[in-house]
Amino acid sequence: AQKITQTQPGMFVQEKEAVTLDCTYDTSDQSYGLFWYKQPSSGEMIFLIYQGSYDEQNATEGRYSLNFQKARKSANLVISASQLGDSAMYFCAMREPGGGTSYGKLTFGQGTILTVHP
Amino acid sequence: EAEVAQSPRYKITEKSQAVAFWCDPISGHATLYWYRQILGQGPELLVQFQDESVVDDSQLPKDRFSAERLKGVDSTLKIQPAELGDSAMYLCASSPNLPLANVLTFGAGSRLTVL
Repeated sequence: AQKITQTQPGMFVQEKEAVTLDCTYDTSDQSYGLFWYKQPSSGEMIFLIYQGSYDEQNATEGRYSLNFQKARKSANLVISASQLGDSAMYFCAMREPGGGTSYGKLTFGQGTILTVHP
Repeated sequence: EAEVAQSPRYKITEKSQAVAFWCDPISGHATLYWYRQILGQGPELLVQFQDESVVDDSQLPKDRFSAERLKGVDSTLKIQPAELGDSAMYLCASSPNLPLANVLTFGAGSRLTVL
């Protein structure tokens, strides 16, 4: 079963508008971490934001916020005031304790390509 | 700002040749990861090191891929022989081990094309 699901292959947004990128996850662990990374065409993975499973408040980092709904197992990324430089691939990822050999690795979704129009 | 160094950035090779990628993690990071990313997909873990020990290589095609981190610092990922399906981006990342909130920092990647 897929652990991280990103159902939007591509999204378009007008410059200065807000956009939400969807992410759902599946885990039986009570303790886990959720991450969003941005990957421009250059290929490097850039960390954007982190949400811990026990964090009661939604994480925010500048123009990025994470809409965390634990009961629904969703962790959507909201980008406010989109900029042309936000055009990139965005990945949702989860880190679980797991135990044994799987501790600490990130499991990624398939990604969403975001295109910001002027 | 500390970076994860990877080389080469680009590699073109012919099928059945050997290829190697090198990664130097952020100083002090005990955990090192090699991910493979096929174009248009999310990265998938190939191997995870804790210091010099392999803790997860369940997705590493061991008949042709090998990875080592001899002194618990830098690491090499080797493919021999390369196949057409190995064309991908190979990403190295490192992190402190605990806690879960520790971010994986990625290198710029090594893009492999097998002809």
